[in-house]
Order: sequence, then C-alpha cells, then structure tokens
Amino acid sequence: AQTVTQSQPEMSVQEAETVTLSCTYDTSESDYYLFWYKQPPSRQMILVIRQEAYKQQNATENRFSVNFQKAAKSFSLKISDSQLGDAAMYFCAYRTMEYGNKLVFGAGTILRVKS
Amino acid sequence: DTGVSQDPRHKITKRGQNVTFRCDPISEHNRLYWYRQTLGQGPEFLTYFQNEAQLEKSRLLSDRFSAERPKGSFSTLEIQRTEQGDSAMYLCASSLGRGRQETQYFGPGTRLLVL
Repeated sequence: AQTVTQSQPEMSVQEAETVTLSCTYDTSESDYYLFWYKQPPSRQMILVIRQEAYKQQNATENRFSVNFQKAAKSFSLKISDSQLGDAAMYFCAYRTMEYGNKLVFGAGTILRVKS
Repeated sequence: DTGVSQDPRHKITKRGQNVTFRCDPISEHNRLYWYRQTLGQGPEFLTYFQNEAQLEKSRLLSDRFSAERPKGSFSTLEIQRTEQGDSAMYLCASSLGRGRQETQYFGPGTRLLVL
C-alpha cells in the first residue's frame, strides 16, 4: 500500500519570502500522480499543483513549484513571494494509475505567514 | 459550475442515532468520492462511485456505513448507530474521469460530532 509522509507539522514564513514544504512517499509503482492541496481554515480544499511521475520536468503554477525527485520518492512544494492568503493546511497526496482513483494523503503541514 | 456542495455543513447527534449526509457533485462529473478527515490528519478514502456504481470501498467503511448514488447524480452517506469515533469531517469530491489528468474537486465537508 502506498503511504505519504509529511514530516513538518507546522512551518512559518515571513510575507514575501520563500518556504519549502516537504513530502515523501512510498510506492512500488512507476506510474502515478502527485498533488499538493491547500485547505484554508474552515474552507474547502483546493488543488495547488500536480505532477505526473513520468514527466521529469517539475511542475510550476505561478508562485508555486515542486521539486520532484522520483528516485528519492520526494515531492516538495516551494512557495515563492509568500502572501497572507497562503496561510493554510497543505496536504501532499498520491494517486495510483492502476485500478482505483483514490487519493492517499499525508497528515498535512500547517503554514503560517507572518506580516 | 457551482462546485461540489455538501449538506448539512454541521451535524451534532447523540450516540446510537442514524445520520445521513448529502453530496452534490459538479454537474457532468461521473466520479464521486467520499473521504473522512479526523482532526489534525489528512483525509482518508472511504468509497468511490463511477456513475451509479460503487466501485471501491475502504476497510474503514464498516457495516454501519452505507453510500448510494442513485442515477449517478447526488450521493448520500448514511451512518447507522453512530459512535463517538465517527466524529470527523466527511468530505465529498467529484471528478470527470477522462484520461490520465483526472482532478478531484472537493466540497466544503460535513462536520459530524457524536455526543
């Protein structure tokens, strides 16, 4: 079974600075997707960025980028020019491309942004 | 496109009572997922529908839990004889299962408290 580990329960960043959230996963599969979701307090979860395992190029969405290291099974999220609205719980998630489409989530990292 | 909606948003019940939650997916999304999220943890998969067919159920889904998706539209999740351990946020997600780049969109969740 696949597992996802987020080793940082909480992180803080100063507004306008850069922060990196860590995620590692365990799988024996070669074809899968990885995601970062953001869950603001009392609001619904939204997709931040996704990465296909077969693509070597790291995904980028505006201020958000990932560092995908397939051999190391590592998938970190970098947030540049942090804004107050980035404060949220961030979840790393894995999705198999085999039977079933469920997401397997990590425990999450709370990101606090200081003004 | 109004997004995934869930009703109720909050539910307080006494142990032993039955509760039912509803999820309305994004229109034309053929896949619908239920997850459970306990405090400080990431969501855990419960079950998944493709149209009206329930294709996968987690071992977390005990006999007291039942989910339906009549006519492949909205879905209901019923918990019978609730226990205090059922207290959690119940999240629904939907997706358009088309090819590799399936993205799950989440609803705001139903927070259940069992007294």
